[in-house]
Amino acid sequence: AQSVSQHNHHVILSEAASLELGCNYSYGGTVNLFWYVQYPGQHLQLLLKYFSGDPLVKGIKGFEAEFIKSKFSFNLRKPSVQWSDTAEYFCAVNGWTGRRALTFGSGTRLQVQP
Amino acid sequence: ETGVTQSPTHLIKTRGQQVTLRCSSQSGHNTVSWYQQALGQGPQFIFQYYREEENGRGNFPPRFSGLQFPNYSSELNVNALELDDSALYLCASSITGPVDEKLFFGSGTQLSVL
Repeated sequence: AQSVSQHNHHVILSEAASLELGCNYSYGGTVNLFWYVQYPGQHLQLLLKYFSGDPLVKGIKGFEAEFIKSKFSFNLRKPSVQWSDTAEYFCAVNGWTGRRALTFGSGTRLQVQP
Repeated sequence: ETGVTQSPTHLIKTRGQQVTLRCSSQSGHNTVSWYQQALGQGPQFIFQYYREEENGRGNFPPRFSGLQFPNYSSELNVNALELDDSALYLCASSITGPVDEKLFFGSGTQLSVL
């Protein structure tokens, strides 16, 4: 079975601060990795994804994530956060089981103060 | 907007009742997945339908069942409701293909079981 851990449950930052949200997964095979974001009152939307190739992936709104296979990690980063980045962030993994089901972490609530 | 619509947006039921939740997929998408998101948790995979057939199921009992129609709309049915079924139910549509795993989520149905 695969699982996803997000160790930061609630993060509070000031505008312009740098962000790094941790994500670790447990799955022994090939995985696809995702970060989804849920802005207040909105639906979940894809921020970025990793399937293969360059382990540093860039997403929308200046976000990036680095896949480190040896550490089973896929941490999300942004050099300078904005107030509009206030949202809940979910890491997810899809092991190639043929079932195409995403396993989500419990989420990190990011609050950016102006 | 994702093109995925869910109805109703909110629902209140009592324990033991049955409920049907509906989802209209984004045009052209042949796959629909349902997720349960309890308060403070990440979405948890319930099941997925591809071309009207169940294509994978998470750790949910048989009283959770689904249907996908030829127009790719979908229903989630839950029988014998329990208090723990109170959650946000998310529908996500996608195109099943060799690589693309991007899910488009609806805004969800908030179910409260009293």
